[in-house]
Amino acid sequence: DSGVTQTPKHLITATGQRVTLRCSPRSGDLSVYWYQQSLDQGLQFLIQYYNGEERAKGNILERFSAQQFPDLHSELNLSSLELGDSALYFCASSVVPATGQGDGYTFGSGTRLTVV
Amino acid sequence: AQKVTQAQTEISVVEKEDVTLDCVYETRDTTYYLFWYKQPPSGELVFLIRRNSFDEQNEISGRYSWNFQKSTSSFNFTITASQVVDSAVYFCALSEANSGNTPLVFGKGTRLSVIA
Repeated sequence: DSGVTQTPKHLITATGQRVTLRCSPRSGDLSVYWYQQSLDQGLQFLIQYYNGEERAKGNILERFSAQQFPDLHSELNLSSLELGDSALYFCASSVVPATGQGDGYTFGSGTRLTVV
Repeated sequence: AQKVTQAQTEISVVEKEDVTLDCVYETRDTTYYLFWYKQPPSGELVFLIRRNSFDEQNEISGRYSWNFQKSTSSFNFTITASQVVDSAVYFCALSEANSGNTPLVFGKGTRLSVIA
């Protein structure tokens, strides 16, 4: 157990639907990152939150949004889903915003989203 | 902008052979961190090593070793006496520390197959 918890582990949904992926960071970590790993793509950075505020944005579609709550858990919302959104979505957390101090980044086990 | 290149998409070796996975990075920051992660078939990301830009000492951990050369912007990973359990996708990643807000940027990964 890495300490980062992602739920659900698997999700199957239809095109056009909306889903929410949840991430609980490792205890004490303030920064949360979301990544998308599609079949033929590497790990694409989507968005980062630090202590409730958005810190950095990557290749995140307008149909996607995220937030980090006061208890530091984060949710990634994916709407108007398309077949191409099928991917493994990872959440990671770190103690400080992306400086790589300490253990660096701890990744959850991912949520596998299948859009049919 | 930072970039990580893993030119080897797939490598196949016979068990007990040594194998080197290449990683070349680009960054304008003088302080940065380099990482290697392993992604076995089960899908989770396993942290292997973190190296900061001021420490060019090579590192050895069991059968794993890493060669960091700033002169060529490379951070290569060698597995000695490979085993079937080493079969996985390996990712090299970079985070820039100077800006303080950059998440991990990953290469596209190298799929290693170790054949018995």
